[in-house]
Amino acid sequence: EPEVTQTPSHQVTQMGQEVILRCVPISNHLYFYWYRQILGQKVEFLVSFYNNEISEKSEIFDDQFSVERPDGSNFTLKIRSTKLEDSAMYFCASSYNRVPNEKLFFGSGTQLSVL
Amino acid sequence: DAKTTQPNSMESNEEEPVHLPCNHSTISGTDYIHWYRQLPSQGPEYVIHGLTSNVNNRMASLAIAEDRKSSTLILHRATLRDAAVYYCILRDVAAGGTSYGKLTFGQGTILTVHP
Repeated sequence: EPEVTQTPSHQVTQMGQEVILRCVPISNHLYFYWYRQILGQKVEFLVSFYNNEISEKSEIFDDQFSVERPDGSNFTLKIRSTKLEDSAMYFCASSYNRVPNEKLFFGSGTQLSVL
Repeated sequence: DAKTTQPNSMESNEEEPVHLPCNHSTISGTDYIHWYRQLPSQGPEYVIHGLTSNVNNRMASLAIAEDRKSSTLILHRATLRDAAVYYCILRDVAAGGTSYGKLTFGQGTILTVHP
């Protein structure tokens, strides 16, 4: 079965540094998402992206965050100036459609540690 | 999003059936019932979804109450690999007739499978 690929699997950074988390969604999918999960907490929606635009974003997704589809295969999440509380597992997901009976495919995640 | 209620944890023995309940008493007529699971150190994984009728796939079965206020995910023969957090999620048609892919995860049910 096709899968969503995320790199790196682990990323360690210093507070205040910029990080870019990378994802390769499933090739024929059109809708892309980022979620995050702080250790021991729920999986939280960050942002959805379609046709090179943000479709929806949560309150977490403030000006420090940005997303981009720089080419036909990659989807990235950038955190401009990391904070300690950004430490979390970040999951990328994709779907072909965005109707309520569509399933999302998630990657294995990038564990971000901010020191 | 309509709220779901699940038990915090359940236990099962290997090769026995498991019934994971979910209450969603405020479900609307257009809400789809989705189940995802999260294996340790993995991203969420789609399991099954339904609207009104019971559904079967290779992973599980979904039994939906006639009034749709509850549903049950059925794993017919649990294996050790089924040990995971199981999430019951409602997905609806947002304003404008489309769902933007935002899955709202709760705490889910931690399923422990004993050998």
